[in-house]
Amino acid sequence: EPEVTQTPSHQVTQMGQEVILRCVPISNHLYFYWYRQILGQKVEFLVSFYNNEISEKSEIFDDQFSVERPDGSNFTLKIRSTKLEDSAMYFCASREWVAHGYTFGSGTRLTVV
Amino acid sequence: AQTVTQSQPEMSVQEAETVTLSCTYDTSESDYYLFWYKQPPSRQMILVIRQEAYKQQNATENRFSVNFQKAAKSFSLKISDSQLGDAAMYFCAYGGNAGNMLTFGGGTRLMVKP
Repeated sequence: EPEVTQTPSHQVTQMGQEVILRCVPISNHLYFYWYRQILGQKVEFLVSFYNNEISEKSEIFDDQFSVERPDGSNFTLKIRSTKLEDSAMYFCASREWVAHGYTFGSGTRLTVV
Repeated sequence: AQTVTQSQPEMSVQEAETVTLSCTYDTSESDYYLFWYKQPPSRQMILVIRQEAYKQQNATENRFSVNFQKAAKSFSLKISDSQLGDAAMYFCAYGGNAGNMLTFGGGTRLMVKP
């Protein structure tokens, strides 16, 4: 069964550093997403991406965040200057049609120290 | 904006028994989709079952079934013949046609007792 692949599985970074989280969505999917889940809390929407541009973003997705699809297969989330409160599990997801459901990657656990 | 509420932070079930997890949502849309996702300790998000709002028939996937009550905006998940591997967090999620993203409930932690 096709998978969404995320790397790395775990990243530790110092506060103020830039991090890039990487995702390879399912190849025939058209819509891509980033979500985050702070430990013990609900899954929160960050941003959606379609046709090579952001289609929606939440209030969490401020100027510190950016997304890119640099080569037609990878989908990246960059956090420019990490804060302690950015520590969370970050999930990439992709879908073809809403009815088919959203396929999530296994997540990147980001720890900011 | 849509909201999704899971009123049971934790549930417990005996192995081989049946358990029902509750979910309610609020929306002004008439066409939408509802999902249940399972999150085991590995924290991966696994799609369990989905329901199209325009379908009256409740979705079923093996031991998992839903009770979809559109007028009441209720979408509960029933797990029959519970197994130890069913122990996980379960998230209810709403996906609109007009909007683009999934909105998640706060989750229900299911424990399965041997």
